[in-house]
Amino acid sequence: GAVVSQHPSRVICKSGTSVKIECRSLDFQATTMFWYRQFPKQSLMLMATSNEGSKATYEQGVEKDKFLINHASLTLSTLTVTSAHPEDSSFYICSASGDRGKANYGYTFGSGTRLTVV
Amino acid sequence: AQSVSQHNHHVILSEAASLELGCNYSYGGTVNLFWYVQYPGQHLQLLLKYFSGDPLVKGIKGFEAEFIKSKFSFNLRKPSVQWSDTAEYFCAVKTGGSYIPTFGRGTSLIVHP
Repeated sequence: GAVVSQHPSRVICKSGTSVKIECRSLDFQATTMFWYRQFPKQSLMLMATSNEGSKATYEQGVEKDKFLINHASLTLSTLTVTSAHPEDSSFYICSASGDRGKANYGYTFGSGTRLTVV
Repeated sequence: AQSVSQHNHHVILSEAASLELGCNYSYGGTVNLFWYVQYPGQHLQLLLKYFSGDPLVKGIKGFEAEFIKSKFSFNLRKPSVQWSDTAEYFCAVKTGGSYIPTFGRGTSLIVHP
């Protein structure tokens, strides 16, 4: 089945530094990648949608200059949290789809990244 | 915009007890419905999904869910839980006009051996 690899699984960084999270589709071409953020005791919140080769579409309230998303190839999307602050500490998870959401309908998820900013 | 409600935030059961997790959504049109599970330290996995046909959907690991259109509900059930079912469960709804699902806030299930 479709596999999505997300790295790192956990990262601790100092306030003011940047952190890059990678999401790779291992056995299919992910034309669309979604980035979610999960706050404790809350639902997954969609941050942005990225289509390969295009600029990401950010959800309202998500700072595009702070959360840089790159989807340069059909198998890799990256989320860079720039100038991280403690309030950015959260669980970030990506999901990928092969045909604009129709390929498997299950939205293959990465394993998530726990970011802690100290 | 659609919303998804999972009313049970924390559920604690003993092994062999029956489970039912509620999921309600607010959208009157055609929907695709999903239940995902996230075991401790692991990624989200699809448990089951509903698109059309039989409203009683069988999933993996003995789970099932029933789509009741009149109640806008898609509750997850399992007749006898096991300790290994301890996990976070998410309901998600995708409407016909979007290819991005909306997630509920999740239900934390703890099963005591």
